[in-house]
Amino acid sequence: AQKITQTQPGMFVQEKEAVTLDCTYDTSDPSYGLFWYKQPSSGEMIFLIYQGSYDQQNATEGRYSLNFQKARKSANLVISASQLGDSAMYFCAMRERTGGFKTIFGAGTRLFVKA
Amino acid sequence: NAGVTQTPKFRVLKTGQSMTLLCAQDMNHEYMYWYRQDPGMGLRLIHYSVGEGTTAKGEVPDGYNVSRLKKQNFLLGLESAAPSQTSVYFCASSVAGGGTDTQYFGPGTRLTVL
Repeated sequence: AQKITQTQPGMFVQEKEAVTLDCTYDTSDPSYGLFWYKQPSSGEMIFLIYQGSYDQQNATEGRYSLNFQKARKSANLVISASQLGDSAMYFCAMRERTGGFKTIFGAGTRLFVKA
Repeated sequence: NAGVTQTPKFRVLKTGQSMTLLCAQDMNHEYMYWYRQDPGMGLRLIHYSVGEGTTAKGEVPDGYNVSRLKKQNFLLGLESAAPSQTSVYFCASSVAGGGTDTQYFGPGTRLTVL
């Protein structure tokens, strides 16, 4: 069974609008961390945002926020006021306390921002 | 502060050749990782290290070896390259290995095996 599911292979958004990238996860470990990474066409992996399983509030980093719904096991990334430079591949990832040191990545969502 | 760097950025090998990828980090991180990324897939862990002189297998270790002789360096070796090892390789490091620890990635190495 997939532990990280990103159901949107590709998404389009108009510049300056907000967009939500979906991520659901599966774990029985009560302690885990959820991450989002951005991979632009240049190829590097850029850390965006982190949410811990025990965090009471949703994480925010500038224009990025993580909509964490623990009971539904979802960790959607919200990008507000999209910019052309946001066009990239976005990966959701999870690390479990009992998973050792392995970070499990989803297949990614490619975001296209239209001018 | 360069973060995580990888050498080389690109490489083309013939089947059966060997090579070593070098990863270096200047953040004094204890943990280092090697991943591979194939088209349409997320990253998969090859090997990792929890400190100088230690290494361990990840999800897809076959065909690769690693060494961590110095804390700041993590080497990935291919002894006899195969076309199935054509991929983009990412190195990452983190302060610790817990579930809440953030990994920081290098720029990647694009390897083609003919």
